[in-house]
Amino acid sequence: GAVVSQHPSRVICKSGTSVKIECRSLDFQATTMFWYRQFPKQSLMLMATSNEGSKATYEQGVEKDKFLINHASLTLSTLTVTSAHPEDSSFYICSASEGNRGGETQYFGPGTRLLVL
Amino acid sequence: GQNIDQPTEMTATEGAIVQINCTYQTSGFNGLFWYQQHAGEAPTFLSYNVLDGLEEKGRFSSFLSRSKGYSYLLLKELQMKDSASYLCAVMDSNYQLIWGAGTKLIIKP
Repeated sequence: GAVVSQHPSRVICKSGTSVKIECRSLDFQATTMFWYRQFPKQSLMLMATSNEGSKATYEQGVEKDKFLINHASLTLSTLTVTSAHPEDSSFYICSASEGNRGGETQYFGPGTRLLVL
Repeated sequence: GQNIDQPTEMTATEGAIVQINCTYQTSGFNGLFWYQQHAGEAPTFLSYNVLDGLEEKGRFSSFLSRSKGYSYLLLKELQMKDSASYLCAVMDSNYQLIWGAGTKLIIKP
């Protein structure tokens, strides 16, 4: 159980284009979903937290107009990188948990490797 | 501030035992997680401790001492596939996960 999928697994795009990444919880309802970014040889950096049906909470320094998050249902959240630039190239990982109380384990999707040319 | 400390890298021999330590200073505590992350892949959940003591799960065990702000992940009968980074993360009083930088574990034959 607790499987999270992410699509696409890898994307290459031109600078200035927008890229949408989907995150789905396959066998449980994800009340809360998290979006992380990880640069090579660095730890995970939380970008935003989203609860189903409400606006995402962004971490300090993350531009909400650039990284659009939609958590429309209990099984799907999307991250759209708008007007992507080479510095946005990174490994984007989503995770999902069943509740919004303390202690819920986060289950991670396989990640999306974004390369902006 | 909040911080999680764990060694950057450790080396161990196949078949042996290794202990990866994690110390933390956070505003509140709602549990400590260990995740495994192979190179180029997303993290996978290993363990969760919220009470003091040892939790055993097969070859992996995790220990927590809340009074000392300390945890360790113990890996027994090491296999080559255990070569990965091991991430320690603490959930603070706001139920936010604070991540350590990870410990890269290298297993040698």
